[in-house]
Order: sequence, then C-alpha cells, then structure tokens
Amino acid sequence: NAGVTQTPKFRVLKTGQSMTLLCAQDMNHEYMYWYRQDPGMGLRLIHYSVGEGTTAKGEVPDGYNVSRLKKQNFLLGLESAAPSQTSVYFCATKGQYYEQYFGPGTRLTVT
Amino acid sequence: GNSVTQMEGPVTLSEEAFLTINCTYTATGYPSLFWYVQYPGEGLQLLLKATKADDKGSNKGFEATYRKETTSFHLEKGSVQVSDSAVYFCALSGSNTGKLIFGQGTTLQVKP
Repeated sequence: NAGVTQTPKFRVLKTGQSMTLLCAQDMNHEYMYWYRQDPGMGLRLIHYSVGEGTTAKGEVPDGYNVSRLKKQNFLLGLESAAPSQTSVYFCATKGQYYEQYFGPGTRLTVT
Repeated sequence: GNSVTQMEGPVTLSEEAFLTINCTYTATGYPSLFWYVQYPGEGLQLLLKATKADDKGSNKGFEATYRKETTSFHLEKGSVQVSDSAVYFCALSGSNTGKLIFGQGTTLQVKP
C-alpha cells in the first residue's frame, strides 16, 4: 500500500501562473484534507472533503480551489499563483479514530 | 474555540537524556489527542494517539497520557537518540469533520 501520495514533489511557478496539485490515497478513506505549512505558522487547513463530490473551506481557502471527483483523489488548484502561496503543501486522510495520515508534501515556490 | 499549546523550542538534549515536551489543550467535549513527528524534508507521521481520558498512547519508546483533569497530553521518552531529532506536533480532533487542531510544533535536537 502506498498510503497517501502527492505529485509533484517540487514546483516553481511565476506569479500569475496556474497549477494543480494531486493527492491520491489507497486507504479507502472518506475524508481528505489539504494543509499548508509555513515557518512559524504551523499547519493551516486550506480545504477539505468529507466524501466523493464534496468540498468545504478550511481556515485559509482564499486563492485555492479543490475538487474531489473520485474518492481516491483530491486536487488542489491555484488559478493565479502569488508569492504568498510559496509554502509546503500536505494532503492527509482521516482514519477510524480521527487520526490523519499525511502525504510527503509538495514544495511550491512562486517567484 | 479548540486550541493546542505546546512548549516552545528548540529543545536540545544529549543522547540518552530524558525528554518531556509539554502540550495542553482547550476543547469542548471529549477530543482525541495525537502526537505527530516530522523529520526534515518529510511529511508528518502519526507517533501516538489517545482517544479518551486516562488512555496512554505509546510508540517507539515515546509515551503520552490523556489527562482530562489538567487538559494535558505531555510527550515523554526515557532515553532519546540522535535519530529522534525532529519537529513534534501535538494535535486534537473532536469535530465530525475530523479537522485537526495543531500546536505550533517543538523542534528537538539530540546531540551525540
């Protein structure tokens, strides 16, 4: 089992460009989450999904969109990247006891 | 609202020293509590969990006990190793959406 995987691992964008981050899980979990991690800010929830076809806003949703067309995939989109979106992005799924399982992360730099 | 407070780091210890990282929380109801560890350049890994009061979570020599009376979930290890150097996050979850509330993280550096 691969668990939670993320692609790409690294990406550099210019301001105004768009991109999509892919999260895939083989754990058959219903709930999935996108976080960003910034120095001194801890982890902040961007968006989440409680099941296929559903999405909801988290703590810092502005500038991001998400889609959950298939249960195993959760996509995070940046329509017009800004330097403030330079961060490390983590995807996670929720297990039986509310524990979460994290992917390895995507390091994004916006210049 | 719910919140988690961790002791500030960095914490620097010598190998084989005793480790305590303090974590206190504020929450309504009966949240589940977690410790996560993040090694450099990697994602967060679940280290241990406790789902009800007085539960003790343990893994890889680390332990933490869910203390409802003091609203605490302190992480302990009797003898740390250089390989334990990482960032440790305390977290709680109690809502139906499963959202986790994280502490700010505590950096542990263990020197040989």
